[in-house]
Amino acid sequence: SAVISQKPSRDICQRGTSLTIQCQVDSQVTMMFWYRQQPGQSLTLIATANQGSEATYESGFVIDKFPISRPNLTFSTLTVSNMSPEDSSIYLCSGGQQFTEAFFGQGTRLTVV
Amino acid sequence: RKEVEQDPGPFNVPEGATVAFNCTYSNSASQSFFWYRQDCRKEPKLLMSVYSSGNEDGRFTAQLNRASQYISLLIRDSKLSDSATYLCVVNTGGSYIPTFGRGTSLIVHP
Repeated sequence: SAVISQKPSRDICQRGTSLTIQCQVDSQVTMMFWYRQQPGQSLTLIATANQGSEATYESGFVIDKFPISRPNLTFSTLTVSNMSPEDSSIYLCSGGQQFTEAFFGQGTRLTVV
Repeated sequence: RKEVEQDPGPFNVPEGATVAFNCTYSNSASQSFFWYRQDCRKEPKLLMSVYSSGNEDGRFTAQLNRASQYISLLIRDSKLSDSATYLCVVNTGGSYIPTFGRGTSLIVHP
């Protein structure tokens, strides 16, 4: 199994600002993903973080709004840019090997005011 | 049609009851299957993998039916602490992206 440390655990941000969320995995993982989860809803995949190249975004998510970095096999960041109240949500990173179980960070609870 | 579908519930059962959840998936090329548990305001945590032969872990039994494209989770002798949302996850070959169902809420009451 992999242990994923995600920070910050929560933040309250002003609209128009940006927040960068970090995830550190205690071992090398092939795959890393970023999700968003609204209260009472399931996880929505934002993008797949690709090591050394641009992330692969899902429909409805764009790089200018959610830039992602993945410099190596153990670390990734997600930035929520130019935030608005609609961006208030829980953001989760996950990692794992192909076709095996994924492990999650503790989540970042973001409130935009 | 969604790729992974679950009945959102909630399933409201007394302690000691047996409860079963189903999850259907649309892509016949799916290769890996899992059940996760998510407690309120917490991240999802792996409950168990689902193997073709079925697998059991204590009070929990998972089954896979490839012909009908569904997986199931059976919980016997429910405990209060089993109250949570149970997420079905399917990995499909090619994209390697785990796809989540919307989750099934379980409430176990005294």
